[in-house]
Amino acid sequence: DIRMTQSPSSLSASVGDRVSITCRASQSIDIYLNWYQQKPGGAPKLLIYTTSNLQSGVPSRFSGSGSGTDFTLTISGLQPEDFATYYCQQSFSTPRTFGQGTKVEIK
Amino acid sequence: EVQLLESGGGLVQPGGSLRVSCAASGFTFSDYAMSWVRQAPGKGLEWVSGISGGGGTPFYADSVKGRFTISRDNSKNTLYLQMNSLRAEDTAIYYCARYDCSTTSCPKLDYWGQGTLVTVSS
Repeated sequence: DIRMTQSPSSLSASVGDRVSITCRASQSIDIYLNWYQQKPGGAPKLLIYTTSNLQSGVPSRFSGSGSGTDFTLTISGLQPEDFATYYCQQSFSTPRTFGQGTKVEIK
Repeated sequence: EVQLLESGGGLVQPGGSLRVSCAASGFTFSDYAMSWVRQAPGKGLEWVSGISGGGGTPFYADSVKGRFTISRDNSKNTLYLQMNSLRAEDTAIYYCARYDCSTTSCPKLDYWGQGTLVTVSS
């Protein structure tokens, strides 16, 4: 199985900050990397698919980049509603493994 | 509007069985592959199983292979997960999620239900 490792596990940031979260795959997954956002008590929500494609309705302050084994989710201008946990997931092979999550907290 | 509504969760003893369901609406159910993803209390997401739109070729995580069975009834727009030989470590919220096309090779899970809690405890 492909192992996905996110860093950091948590971070504190202020409204308006630029935030980056990294996801590393244990082997190349080409561009088959998705990002999900989960708020407390809620279901995961798809933000970005195949590395850099914004899901419909997701604000443009979210962006993704990378390829192969190293990927980044960037939030440009953090908003109060962005405080949540973010997960990467590879869609290169089954099982579709997730990273352990990165919790974005208010500073 | 796409809606996924899970049901059937509850408390079950170790070694017991439970079937959870996911009722889908707002789209042509048979055109889309479906998946189950779980989340243990306070933990991250774990992909559990997936099935194609036509009901063939299911896939499972190693942690549930041989104990869980995914199935679907396209006439009822419903996805199922039959869970046997349950263990304490199967305690989790179980989410159903839709792949964005008819096969489990599709790249994204674009809609998720709100989940149903399964607790395995004596």
